[in-house]
Amino acid sequence: KQEVTQIPAALSVPEGENLVLNCSFTDSAIYNLQWFRQDPGKGLTSLLLIQSSQREQTSGRLNASLDKSSGRSTLYIAASQPGDSATYLCAVTGFNKFYFGSGTKLNVKP
Amino acid sequence: SQTIHQWPATLVQPVGSPLSLECTVEGTSNPNLYWYRQAAGRGLQLLFYSVGIGQISSEVPQNLSASRPQDRQFILSSKKLLLSDSGFYLCAWSASGDYGYTFGSGTRLTVV
Repeated sequence: KQEVTQIPAALSVPEGENLVLNCSFTDSAIYNLQWFRQDPGKGLTSLLLIQSSQREQTSGRLNASLDKSSGRSTLYIAASQPGDSATYLCAVTGFNKFYFGSGTKLNVKP
Repeated sequence: SQTIHQWPATLVQPVGSPLSLECTVEGTSNPNLYWYRQAAGRGLQLLFYSVGIGQISSEVPQNLSASRPQDRQFILSSKKLLLSDSGFYLCAWSASGDYGYTFGSGTRLTVV
């Protein structure tokens, strides 16, 4: 069974810092990997989707990479802002199933 | 464009009462549909998924059931709620294959 791990569980940084969130998975036979953001009490907002054949995706200040062979993905956030404070979840897709990590709770201090 | 609707947003129900949460998707056909639960301070747990009308796969044996009476409608139900059913319930859809997932805004269920 696929297991997804996210490190660190929580992260607090001052505004303006660049930061990296990590996601690892045990089974490299994935269809894609998706990063989500969840604000308290809200649903999940998709940030980036990386297909299994891709190595990275970029959107604004966000860059996500995927290394299937090592079972790892990173989400890089450049020039962090207080509005980036949220829980970030990664999820990998198998056949009709979606496996989530437990998330990284990010706090960006003004 | 595709949209997903989930209601109600919040719900407070007594123990032993029935439950019905509804999720509908617009702008697509034959989506894969999912119900997830997120307990307080914990990760997302896949409860049910459906690849077509009347086709339901259960991931976790529990007090809940799901139905898909129409192509773009997914319902989560319970005959008698337990305290442990409290949580944040999320519906999601995806196109079949290796496309991404889109989530609804969630239902906060509190069983008292």
